[in-house]
Amino acid sequence: AQKITQTQPGMFVQEKEAVTLDCTYDTSDPSYGLFWYKQPSSGEMIFLIYQGSYDQQNATEGRYSLNFQKARKSANLVISASQLGDSAMYFCAMREKGYDGGFKTIFGAGTRLFVKA
Amino acid sequence: DTAVSQTPKYLVTQMGNDKSIKCEQNLGHDTMYWYKQDSKKFLKIMFSYNNKELIINETVPNRFSPKSPDKAHLNLHINSLELGDSAVYFCASSLTTGGYGYTFGSGTRLTVV
Repeated sequence: AQKITQTQPGMFVQEKEAVTLDCTYDTSDPSYGLFWYKQPSSGEMIFLIYQGSYDQQNATEGRYSLNFQKARKSANLVISASQLGDSAMYFCAMREKGYDGGFKTIFGAGTRLFVKA
Repeated sequence: DTAVSQTPKYLVTQMGNDKSIKCEQNLGHDTMYWYKQDSKKFLKIMFSYNNKELIINETVPNRFSPKSPDKAHLNLHINSLELGDSAVYFCASSLTTGGYGYTFGSGTRLTVV
């Protein structure tokens, strides 16, 4: 079963508009963490935002915010005021405790975002 | 100063060869990882080491052997390379096994011909 699901393989957004990238997750670990990463065409993985499962408030980092709905097991990324430089692949990831007690971070399949001028 | 550095950035080699990719982090992190990103951009964890000790070993062919001489280094050696090994390999590190401060290297694009 998929642990991290990103249902949008590709998304288009007009420059300066907001866009939401979907992510749902599945875990039985009560103490987990959720991440979003950006991968531009140059290939590097850039950390964007983190949300802990016990955090009461939604995480925000500049133009990025994480819409955390725990009961629905969703952790959508909202990018406000899109810029051309936001065009990239975006990965949702989850850190959870593995069967051996160690932690594992697993990634979704990614969403490719295209920002139109 | 690059936090997590991988070498080489590009590697083109013939089938059957043995090659290594090196990774070093200067963040003082305890945990290091190798991920493989396939042509569809899917990232899959291969190995994780914590303080030189192997803690995650996913279902990876035993042609892949990680080596961690110290907690700042995690190298990946691949024997008898196959066409299907072509991918981008990312090294990453985190403060602890809990994944805090997760930082990726810039990736190594391996092409097997």
